[in-house]
Amino acid sequence: QSVLTQPPSASGTPGQRVTISCSGSSSNIGVNTVNWYQQIPGAAPKVLIYDNYQRPSGVPDRFSGSKSGTSASLAISGLQSEDEADYYCGAWDDSLSAWVFGGGTKLTVL
Amino acid sequence: QVQLQQWGAGLLKPSETLSRTCTVYNGSFSDYYWSWIRQPPGKGLEWIGDINHRGYTNYNPSLWSRLTISVDTSKNQFSLRLSSVTAADTALYYCVRGSPLQRLAHDPTDWGQGTLVTVSS
Repeated sequence: QSVLTQPPSASGTPGQRVTISCSGSSSNIGVNTVNWYQQIPGAAPKVLIYDNYQRPSGVPDRFSGSKSGTSASLAISGLQSEDEADYYCGAWDDSLSAWVFGGGTKLTVL
Repeated sequence: QVQLQQWGAGLLKPSETLSRTCTVYNGSFSDYYWSWIRQPPGKGLEWIGDINHRGYTNYNPSLWSRLTISVDTSKNQFSLRLSSVTAADTALYYCVRGSPLQRLAHDPTDWGQGTLVTVSS
């Protein structure tokens, strides 16, 4: 049981816009920033979004992040086949004094 | 570009102690948090804990009683010890560079390659 809650799966067709949600609480997302990680099968995760909506250099602007209250979202527009991956949200939890992850969302490009 | 290289035993028996060490290259060792994260086969990510160059640690509460993370600044290394392992500790183990200390945050940022550790009798 993950501290942050994500849907286990999401899907879309090429060119579509897909959104992945991440629900937390007042001790994590409610008071701290959120990161999103992309994990291509067989590879280590990489940071996709940090500080709720910032993109590291090299991440296409098709990827965007937002946060409202105790929830965050990752949006992917202009979906491409190479976006097929697992996506994880993460945040610091002040009550646990620990970093917590969502359970991950497997994105399928149909 | 930071590089993280870890080593340790890949196969353990139940009740043994898991030990892993990660060496940091080109990583400004004293300026960051350093984390361990694991991923059971086919499952999600679990943060184990982190440490800074002064040895200040944060641990996952669910692992706290079995966990020790330490640092050797002279070698730019940080280490993980997890005692009394069971099959549930079978996972890919990642060593990860976290946030710069000045950010006062613990975000896992730069990931090394994961290494599979299997616990089996």
